[in-house]
Amino acid sequence: DIVMTQSPDSLAVSLGERATINCKSSQSVLYSSNNKNYLAWYQQKPGQPPKLLIYWASTRESGVPDRFSGSGSGTDFTLTISSLQAEDVAVYYCQQYYPTGLTFGGGTKVEIK
Amino acid sequence: EVQLVQSGAEVKKPGESLKISCKGSGYSFTNYWIGWVRQMPGKGLEWMGIIYPGDSDTRYSPSFQGQVTISADKSITTAYLQWSSLKASDTAMYYCARQVGGGPYYYYMDVWGKGTTVTVSS
Repeated sequence: DIVMTQSPDSLAVSLGERATINCKSSQSVLYSSNNKNYLAWYQQKPGQPPKLLIYWASTRESGVPDRFSGSGSGTDFTLTISSLQAEDVAVYYCQQYYPTGLTFGGGTKVEIK
Repeated sequence: EVQLVQSGAEVKKPGESLKISCKGSGYSFTNYWIGWVRQMPGKGLEWMGIIYPGDSDTRYSPSFQGQVTISADKSITTAYLQWSSLKASDTAMYYCARQVGGGPYYYYMDVWGKGTTVTVSS
């Protein structure tokens, strides 16, 4: 299985400031046949199911605010919240869906400083 | 509206069997994979496996192979997750989710059910 490692485990950011979450895969999730990174990001608020934010590493799901962006390629990826809002308090997970099998990162908890 | 509606919370004893359900609506049920995800209390997300209702092609995470059975009944647009003999360690929230993909390929999870809480206690 591909192991996904997120960092940090948690972070506290002031309202309006930038939040950056990192995700590293144990092997590349860039599929050579279509040059796509098989990486998604999810947001989970307390008591709710996860919500898809980003797929193919950088494509924002419909309806997701543009303050959320994804970047990276191969084994290193980043989710950035450009200006943190109160409603962004949540746990964020990366997930790879490379054809060998699907795995999640351990999650990063984002709080307000 | 695309929806996945999961069955209600369950309280079971160790050794009992259980089958929980996930009913899809608002889309072509046979053209999308349905995946199952476990979330133990206070923990992260774990992908358990997946089924393609169109032909019942089923895949399991190695961690869950042999521990659970995933099935689907396309006539009633419902997927299932079942256990033959529950353990206390099966206590968790279980989510179903629609996985975008096609043919033998499955990708990200774009629509999620609200989850089914399973509690196993003597």
